[in-house]
Amino acid sequence: QKEVEQNSGPLSVPEGAIASLNCTYSDRGSQSFFWYRQYSGKSPELIMSIYSNGDKEDGRFTAQLNKASQYVSLLIRDSQPSDSATYLCAVARGNDYKLSFGAGTTVTVRA
Amino acid sequence: SQTIHQWPATLVQPVGSPLSLECTVEGTSNPNLYWYRQAAGRGLQLLFYSVGIGQISSEVPQNLSASRPQDRQFILSSKKLLLSDSGFYLCAWSVRGRRGTYEQYFGPGTRLTVT
Repeated sequence: QKEVEQNSGPLSVPEGAIASLNCTYSDRGSQSFFWYRQYSGKSPELIMSIYSNGDKEDGRFTAQLNKASQYVSLLIRDSQPSDSATYLCAVARGNDYKLSFGAGTTVTVRA
Repeated sequence: SQTIHQWPATLVQPVGSPLSLECTVEGTSNPNLYWYRQAAGRGLQLLFYSVGIGQISSEVPQNLSASRPQDRQFILSSKKLLLSDSGFYLCAWSVRGRRGTYEQYFGPGTRLTVT
């Protein structure tokens, strides 16, 4: 079993819709959760961090964490063509400085 | 604010040639530093990480090596490149945040093609 698993994708959504990305992790000791956005040919960019159960909102992005079920999700509201990218889920155990990354989900927003 | 530099941006090298990729971080002290590789269409693979000068941990045994000669400088090297070394090489840094956690920030990357 992979440490971090994401929707296989690709995910295609119309402009203005909500894109929903899911991520599950296997290590119950995980305490830190991150979402990165990676445009084609570019390096990953940190867009969200979440550490506590519940929702965290930042602009059009909402991260949701459920430690009991071992999943973390990212919602992109009012999706724009500029949101088309690969989204990487990353998880860290406790205060570990190493991250475990998922393989990523590619999102395409159709104009 | 912190800035991370990587060079070169792109590199084409023949099989068997040496490699040296450099990464420097500005605006922070004693960062943790990381080297990742991303093969085409694949996920991120952690190659090396360093928590201080001269301290290198290897995650994957291979023909690559890393060094940290200065606090904010991280170098990835190879004596003889293989075709399988082609990929997108990413340097990242982190420091301990308020929560005691480590958010990683990536450099622009070096795209290496071994021919």
